[in-house]
Amino acid sequence: TQLLEQSPQFLSIQEGENLTVYCNSSSVFSSLQWYRQEPGEGPVLLVTVVTGGEVKKLKRLTFQFGDARKDSSLHITAAQTGDTGLYLCSSGGSNYKLTFGKGTLLTVNP
Amino acid sequence: GAVVSQHPSRVICKSGTSVKIECRSLDFQATTMFWYRQFPKQSLMLMATSNEGSKATYEQGVEKDKFLINHASLTLSTLTVTSAHPEDSSFYICSASVRASASYNSPLHFGNGTRLTVT
Repeated sequence: TQLLEQSPQFLSIQEGENLTVYCNSSSVFSSLQWYRQEPGEGPVLLVTVVTGGEVKKLKRLTFQFGDARKDSSLHITAAQTGDTGLYLCSSGGSNYKLTFGKGTLLTVNP
Repeated sequence: GAVVSQHPSRVICKSGTSVKIECRSLDFQATTMFWYRQFPKQSLMLMATSNEGSKATYEQGVEKDKFLINHASLTLSTLTVTSAHPEDSSFYICSASVRASASYNSPLHFGNGTRLTVT
């Protein structure tokens, strides 16, 4: 089972600030997904990256996939209170079974 | 987009009783569904993989007789917590993969979870 390390585990910032969270593994990702989960709800898929070096943008969110496909980052520009949530990275495996990182709990303060 | 419906969203039961949680894929067929457990401010812990028409595959440490999983159709999987105890109180989430895109790159779609409280 592939182990995913996410950092930081907790992050509290002010509205308008920028932030980056990371997801790393010692082995190559076949694919990598980023999810956001709000309290009391299920995770919502933000993006899937497959190709090494890939960069995807989703409004103020920028996702990068490392060239070696062992790491990924999520950068949020000008964070808003609505960005508050648990950010999870996951990696695909056989039979669609995903492995999740421990998550980054982001709090954006007004 | 693909929608997964989970019911109930919240349930409170007495110790010793059983609780059934349903997970439905509303607009797609899901040959495989997954059940997770999540503690406050922590990540998802996979409990079992539910395959339509066959027995579920449980992760190490998860009691098969306590967490009964049934996947009778391509759109419905159920998780029954039997003889519930207070330590079973948790947030349970299901997910499903779209059958049409049969690839390990297929994203999972999650239900909104069930908050179980055992008193």
